[in-house]
Amino acid sequence: QKEVEQDPGPLSVPEGAIVSLNCTYSNSAFQYFMWYRQYSRKGPELLMYTYSSGNKEDGRFTAQVDKSSKYISLFIRDSQPSDSATYLCAMSAYLSYGQNFVFGPGTRLSVLP
Amino acid sequence: DVKVTQSSRYLVKRTGEKVFLECVQDMDHENMFWYRQDPGLGLRLIYFSYDVKMKEKGDIPEGYSVSREKKERFSLILESASTNQTSMYLCASRPSLATGANVLTFGAGSRLTVL
Repeated sequence: QKEVEQDPGPLSVPEGAIVSLNCTYSNSAFQYFMWYRQYSRKGPELLMYTYSSGNKEDGRFTAQVDKSSKYISLFIRDSQPSDSATYLCAMSAYLSYGQNFVFGPGTRLSVLP
Repeated sequence: DVKVTQSSRYLVKRTGEKVFLECVQDMDHENMFWYRQDPGLGLRLIYFSYDVKMKEKGDIPEGYSVSREKKERFSLILESASTNQTSMYLCASRPSLATGANVLTFGAGSRLTVL
């Protein structure tokens, strides 16, 4: 079993739709949960991160962590064509050393005008 | 905001050439990382550094070396480039675990093509 599973998509939605992106993981030691947005031929941009469980909201974006199910989600409300990108989830353990970041393969999202 | 700057966005090199990829961060982060990203393989850690002149191998260090002479600068060196090193190279930094969150900030990436 991979440490992090993420549906690679592609996922196509109409403009204005609510988008749900998800990752599952197996390592219960993970405490930091990150979502990155990566446009084509650019580096990943940190959208938001959550420490431990719970929800975090930033504008149109909401991150949720359910540690009991080992499941994290990113919701995008009122999606825009500019949200079209690949979204990577990533995780790390608290006080972990350098090698303990684990990334999902990314979900490619297209928001159609 | 932390800024991680990779000076070369696109490079084309020939097999056997020596290649330097430079990365500079401006927020006094102790930890710096080099990843490569390939379709179907995701991000793979090449090397990381937790302090000046300190380095540790990641998952795929073969064919690469690194240099960290100053806290803000972390260089990736390909001593003799090969075609299988054609990839997107990503530099990242992180504050010390005592002072900040255990999350990475990435640069814009350096796309290297080896002919």
